[in-house]
Amino acid sequence: QKEVEQDPGPLSVPEGAIVSLNCTYSNSAFQYFMWYRQYSRKGPELLMYTYSSGNKEDGRFTAQVDKSSKYISLFIRDSQPSDSATYLCAIPPTDSWGKLQFGAGTQVVVTP
Amino acid sequence: SQTIHQWPATLVQPVGSPLSLECTVEGTSNPNLYWYRQAAGRGLQLLFYSIGIDQISSEVPQNLSASRPQDRQFILSSKKLLLSDSGFYLCAWSVPAGRKHYGYTFGSGTRLTVV
Repeated sequence: QKEVEQDPGPLSVPEGAIVSLNCTYSNSAFQYFMWYRQYSRKGPELLMYTYSSGNKEDGRFTAQVDKSSKYISLFIRDSQPSDSATYLCAIPPTDSWGKLQFGAGTQVVVTP
Repeated sequence: SQTIHQWPATLVQPVGSPLSLECTVEGTSNPNLYWYRQAAGRGLQLLFYSIGIDQISSEVPQNLSASRPQDRQFILSSKKLLLSDSGFYLCAWSVPAGRKHYGYTFGSGTRLTVV
């Protein structure tokens, strides 16, 4: 079983809709949770970084962590065509080495 | 500020030819360095990681090798490319182990096509 599972999509939504992305993980000891955004033919960039349970908001983006269900979510409000990208969840390990566990990435297409 | 440089951006190589991709990091010391491959429509596959000069671990057996001749330089190589080596190669760095994890910073990637 992979430590981080993510539906690869693609997910197609009309402009202005709410995009909902999620990942599940297996290790209840994980504490930090990240979302990366990757545009086509570019390297991934860190989008959101959260610790423990709860919500974190940054503009149109909200990251949510439910540690009891081992479930993390990313919501994009008022989606724009420029949000079209692949979104990857990533979780740092609990040991000190630092090798991130990445989800497979969900491709999002926002149509005008 | 820290920056990561990766080159070339695009490469078309014949089967059986050698490969050398280079990655350098600026603005930090003793970073952890990583090489990933991303096949079309697929997730990130960790190929190599390094915690210091000449300290490199391989994640998967393959036709590739990595070297770290200097603290902030990471090189991905192959003596003879295979068609299956085609993909998008990404270099990344992170803070050294033992400090709070701030995630990875990725380079802009190299798109390799083996023909």
